Amino acid sequence: IQMTQSPSSLSASVGDSVTITCRASGDITNNLGWYRHKPGKAPQALIYGTSNLLSGVPSRFGGSGSGTDFTLTISSLQPEDFGTYYCLQDYEYPFTFGPGTKVDFK
Amino acid sequence: EVQLVASGGDLVQSGGSLRLSCAASGFSFRQSDMNWVRQTPGKGLEWVSDISPSGANEHYADFVEGRFVISRDNFKDRLYLQMNSLRVEDTGIYYCAKYKTYFGLSTLDSWGQGTVVTVSS
Repeated sequence: IQMTQSPSSLSASVGDSVTITCRASGDITNNLGWYRHKPGKAPQALIYGTSNLLSGVPSRFGGSGSGTDFTLTISSLQPEDFGTYYCLQDYEYPFTFGPGTKVDFK
Repeated sequence: EVQLVASGGDLVQSGGSLRLSCAASGFSFRQSDMNWVRQTPGKGLEWVSDISPSGANEHYADFVEGRFVISRDNFKDRLYLQMNSLRVEDTGIYYCAKYKTYFGLSTLDSWGQGTVVTVSS
């Protein structure tokens, strides 16, 4: 299963609402997670199973979708939200990441 | 506290081999599915391999092409990745990650800090 993401990068201001989309080449039901990766740090899981926030992840993060089309929304962007966001399908092996969306600040 | 400490990364020539190791603590390693994920220059995150808690089941990315072997030692709480026939394009940071399931849905919920593999031509 191939994963695509859009946009590949975006610039936004603190307080903006941001939406990243992820599309799978086949039906992955709701087996989709979102991860953020900052330079020099380990990646961090944000959302699993399309819409479930991991413990400690702020409620401004939200996920939706099913089948082949998924969305990550950050409702009010904060300075610490910069980084590259990746979707990952774990519906079937081999697992596959999307190419990433780099979020930086205007 | 979950800790995953990866090691074994090095500079190696194309065609060479490396064995990565990941020391786990703070959770029940023997009950956890474990993964390797890499970040390659200009290509973002790439899933590499997965091994079941008992070690009986392994899965690999297509680009592995039989060159890597994942394994684990549940007595030592260690995960391994034996990498053979290394290519320049295998250069990157290799992360070990724990795979956790919540009511049938799963996530790579904890990650190590990564170990750097550089393959020269």
